[in-house]
Amino acid sequence: KAGVTQTPRYLIKTRGQQVTLSCSPISGHRSVSWYQQTPGQGLQFLFEYFSETQRNKGNFPGRFSGRQFSNSRSEMNVSTLELGDSALYLCASSLDGFRVGNTEAFFGQGTRLTVV
Amino acid sequence: AQRVTQPEKLLSVFKGAPVELKCNYSYSGSPELFWYVQYSRQRLQLLLRHISRESIKGFTADLNKGETSFHLKKPFAQEEDSAMYYCAPPDNYGQNFVFGPGTRLSVLP
Repeated sequence: KAGVTQTPRYLIKTRGQQVTLSCSPISGHRSVSWYQQTPGQGLQFLFEYFSETQRNKGNFPGRFSGRQFSNSRSEMNVSTLELGDSALYLCASSLDGFRVGNTEAFFGQGTRLTVV
Repeated sequence: AQRVTQPEKLLSVFKGAPVELKCNYSYSGSPELFWYVQYSRQRLQLLLRHISRESIKGFTADLNKGETSFHLKKPFAQEEDSAMYYCAPPDNYGQNFVFGPGTRLSVLP
């Protein structure tokens, strides 16, 4: 079956702009989580969506937001971009999030965002 | 706050040598613990989960509740094991994983 698909793969934006990233989970998976990956901070959890509802949120400013559609596809939006937002943004899908033990998360290849 | 630590940012070993990637957690109860791996230019992917007690690619990890550790071990490292390794226990409410900071393993020829 098809894996997790993230689009676009690469993005260059200027400070102050906003950006929308997309994630299509594996068919049948209802949970989508977003992570920011940087060399210095590692993997930082942004938020998780399950059945169109944000179920959990990490410690990121309100400029970072997301949503999930009825087909489980998810989007992440960052407004008023800052240079420090440059990172690889990963999404992960799973059947029921990590709430259930023994649940594996499947990651996309990520969107590399560069803010100049 | 619940957290997980991986004390080594970078670990270099020679091919054929044993390797141990450390992971300590601060959680009460019996956490579900996972190790994820990211090879160069590949997706982050599950390596193993402690509940299944399996061995993947020669790696094993034992949950030590007394030491609150979940170290990843392999008796003989291979060059293809070079990658970034993340320990992943659940957060306080088990609703999502808070990944450890990661350890980059470099296996030298």
